[in-house]
Amino acid sequence: GAVVSQHPSRVICKSGTSVKIECRSLDFQATTMFWYRQFPKQSLMLMATSNEGSKATYEQGVEKDKFLINHASLTLSTLTVTSAHPEDSSFYICSARLRGATGELFFGEGSRLTVL
Amino acid sequence: AQTVTQSQPEMSVQEAETVTLSCTYDTSESDYYLFWYKQPPSRQMILVIRQEAYKQQNATENRFSVNFQKAAKSFSLKISDSQLGDAAMYFCAYLVPYSGAGSYQLTFGKGTKLSVIP
Repeated sequence: GAVVSQHPSRVICKSGTSVKIECRSLDFQATTMFWYRQFPKQSLMLMATSNEGSKATYEQGVEKDKFLINHASLTLSTLTVTSAHPEDSSFYICSARLRGATGELFFGEGSRLTVL
Repeated sequence: AQTVTQSQPEMSVQEAETVTLSCTYDTSESDYYLFWYKQPPSRQMILVIRQEAYKQQNATENRFSVNFQKAAKSFSLKISDSQLGDAAMYFCAYLVPYSGAGSYQLTFGKGTKLSVIP
């Protein structure tokens, strides 16, 4: 199956700093990528939908100035957590939809962010 | 709004036995996809099985099969001959296109934690 890679898998940062998480589709072109947040023992919560070459669409309640999403190419989307605070600590997962296809999404390995 | 409900927060099954995880969903759409994803302790989301709403035949993938009841909006997952490696969180998910945007939104249930007893 198609492979989606997320980096870094774990990151620890100080409060007030910014952290960038990358999501890459390794062997296919992804027209659309999705960013999710998962709290411990909970389900995945969609944060935003990222379309290549256009602005991301954020879900209600997600601060677009806090979580900057860039989808500069068909294989790369980035999530930047700006001015991170301890409450931003969470597990962030990206997924990608194969260009031209419908249905299945491919997930990255996830990134665990800890803000001290 | 579409919702996905998994009414069993936790389930357990004896190794080699069969277990069924339930999932119901609410939608007014006619064209959509349903999925079961597995999330082991590594947290990597793994696709177990998918079902297109327009297909009447239930999807099967080796030891995994679904019972898709479109009219009842039910989509249960049956795991046969359960193995220790099946222990994980299982999420039911529903995929529907945004109207006009050309992109898709995946809605997850809250998950069912499956334990496999040796």
